[in-house]
Amino acid sequence: QVTLRESGPALVKPTQTLTLTCTFSGFSLTTSGMCVTWVRQPPGKALEWLALVAWDDDKYYSTSLKTRLTISRDTSKNQVVLTLTNMDPMDTATYYCARAGRDGYSLHFDSWGQGTLVTVSS
Amino acid sequence: SFDLTQPPSVSVSPGQTASITCSGDKLGERYACWYQQRPGQPPMLVIYQDTRRPSGIPERFSGSSSGNTATLTISGTQVMDEADYYCQAWDGFTALFGGGTKLTVL
Repeated sequence: QVTLRESGPALVKPTQTLTLTCTFSGFSLTTSGMCVTWVRQPPGKALEWLALVAWDDDKYYSTSLKTRLTISRDTSKNQVVLTLTNMDPMDTATYYCARAGRDGYSLHFDSWGQGTLVTVSS
Repeated sequence: SFDLTQPPSVSVSPGQTASITCSGDKLGERYACWYQQRPGQPPMLVIYQDTRRPSGIPERFSGSSSGNTATLTISGTQVMDEADYYCQAWDGFTALFGGGTKLTVL
């Protein structure tokens, strides 16, 4: 059974750095084609893709946020960490991690965590 | 980068067929997938690689693609299908979601 769980602060101040951890089980991030991704959703708004780390440790980032994002993995702990610098109230959102399967131009997110709401406020 | 365009809302009567479109430049060269999201819940994959249905997704959900438009079709729509639906694609470097479509079943 595949499970993912997001953890991190519920409240951060503007200009601070957000660090979120995705702890997963039921699959290996070293298996070919396997990836973990982060997606966020501001209240009442659409999904926004943020970043992805692949089985070969390749990393991919949203074009609009790449200067602020870092994604990393710890395969020994089955964890993926996302950092987002210089937080702004517009970064207030529910942040999800998900397992992704990638094959050429096919990428889909087949298992999701419940998400964690992060509010940016002073 | 590229954009994916969805209609903001679609309405359908119970038992009828709902179709939600997703269009974008070069979408025909990529695979589209679809997610259902009910209020307060994470998204759930309902279609991947344009037409494939994950295990456990009802047969009334189907996907198709023609040119630069992907379509999610729900046949015999049920009240429980009322939700937001998002398309998503990958260009080899970045992933993108459409703006979402609110499906109302009434």
